[in-house]
Amino acid sequence: QKEVEQDPGPLSVPEGAIVSLNCTYSNSAFQYFMWYRQYSRKGPELLMYTYSSGNKEDGRFTAQVDKSSKYISLFIRDSQPSDSATYLCAMGGVGGGSYIPTFGRGTSLIVHP
Amino acid sequence: GAGVSQSPRYKVAKRGQDVALRCDPISGHVSLFWYQQALGQGPEFLTYFQNEAQLDKSGLPSDRFFAERPEGSVSTLKIQRTQQEDSAVYLCASSRGEGISYGYTFGSGTRLTVV
Repeated sequence: QKEVEQDPGPLSVPEGAIVSLNCTYSNSAFQYFMWYRQYSRKGPELLMYTYSSGNKEDGRFTAQVDKSSKYISLFIRDSQPSDSATYLCAMGGVGGGSYIPTFGRGTSLIVHP
Repeated sequence: GAGVSQSPRYKVAKRGQDVALRCDPISGHVSLFWYQQALGQGPEFLTYFQNEAQLDKSGLPSDRFFAERPEGSVSTLKIQRTQQEDSAVYLCASSRGEGISYGYTFGSGTRLTVV
């Protein structure tokens, strides 16, 4: 079993829908949680960064972390066709080598007009 | 520069050939990471530099892989005697400090195809 599990999708939604993307993890040392967006043939781009448990909101994007369940989520409101991309979760800890983030395999999202 | 620059963008190598992939990080960024991303997978860590020091190379899959950053800026990932399983996108990321809290900026990657 991988340290970070993420459903690869694809997830197809109509424009304007609320999208929920999720990851589970097994390493209780993880304290930093990130979401990256990756367009085809591009490098990942940092979208959201959260420390420990709780919620963080940035425009149409909300990141949630539930450390007790080892479960993180990214919500996208009013989804747009331009949101079509692969969304990668990544996480890491502090100290030693844990500052090197571990990535999920990514979820492919398709928002159709 | 404004972003992380990687070259070449695409590389086709015959099996057994040596290749060198270049990464120009954001100016002044202390940390530099190399990742390997296979098709349909997330990035897998290869190696990490802090300035010119290679602090972690635990992700390098074999001794055919070698990375350097001699002056603490540009980095080169070299793969000797390439094999078909080396086909992947090689991503470089840089960060202004040590530690995950600084975030990482990725380049667009080099797509290596070994035939």
